[in-house]
Amino acid sequence: EVQLVESGGGLVQPGGSLRLSCAASGFTFSSYEMNWVRQAPGKGLEWVSYISSSGSTIYYADSVKGRFTISRDNAKNSLYLQMNSLRAEDTAVYYCARDDYSSSSPFMDVWGQGTTVTVSS
Amino acid sequence: QSVLTQPPSASGTPGQRVTISCSGSSSNIGSNTVNWYQQLPGTAPKLLIYSNNQRPSGVPDRFSGSKSGTSASLAISGLQSEDEADYYCAAWDDSLNGHVVFGGGTKLTVL
Repeated sequence: EVQLVESGGGLVQPGGSLRLSCAASGFTFSSYEMNWVRQAPGKGLEWVSYISSSGSTIYYADSVKGRFTISRDNAKNSLYLQMNSLRAEDTAVYYCARDDYSSSSPFMDVWGQGTTVTVSS
Repeated sequence: QSVLTQPPSASGTPGQRVTISCSGSSSNIGSNTVNWYQQLPGTAPKLLIYSNNQRPSGVPDRFSGSKSGTSASLAISGLQSEDEADYYCAAWDDSLNGHVVFGGGTKLTVL
């Protein structure tokens, strides 16, 4: 079964750090590009970051650029999101999502169940 | 303020056909394909439509997507109670290097 399982969420004070992990199984992780998408309480989806299959290409949303770092370990079938200088507005459920393609057009076809990050003093 | 614009809510009775619109610009919907995601209450988003009008395996043919110019639509025919969910459109945006943009979401209520 194709599956993504996030972990690492929790309560952190403003200015603190947290590292999220996403464990992949049931598919060849090293062949797929990956994303982090978040959803603040009661709000819509917000794309956060993207990493290519090899890790050589990375993109960030402006809201997290310079504070968050996406990475992956293909040997461990894992995706990570290092979050530093956390702010209250980073409070959200964080999802990892796999990219697939149809005629060069990307879409997120597999999503994890999400992990909750709460930034509060 | 989301880059893609969706109505915040939509509703219909069982058996009806409802449509949800998604409006963008030339840099996103106008030049890239549109994907739709369904989020049932308390669950993770699920891919519903990709590449404007393609259904992943397992998605009923009651769900269909279309795109014209800088707008897209999701249609649900034969509405069922289990269709009550939040629906999001998404597209790549060429003006935002590497960025995917989402609509603000539409909450569908089955009356």
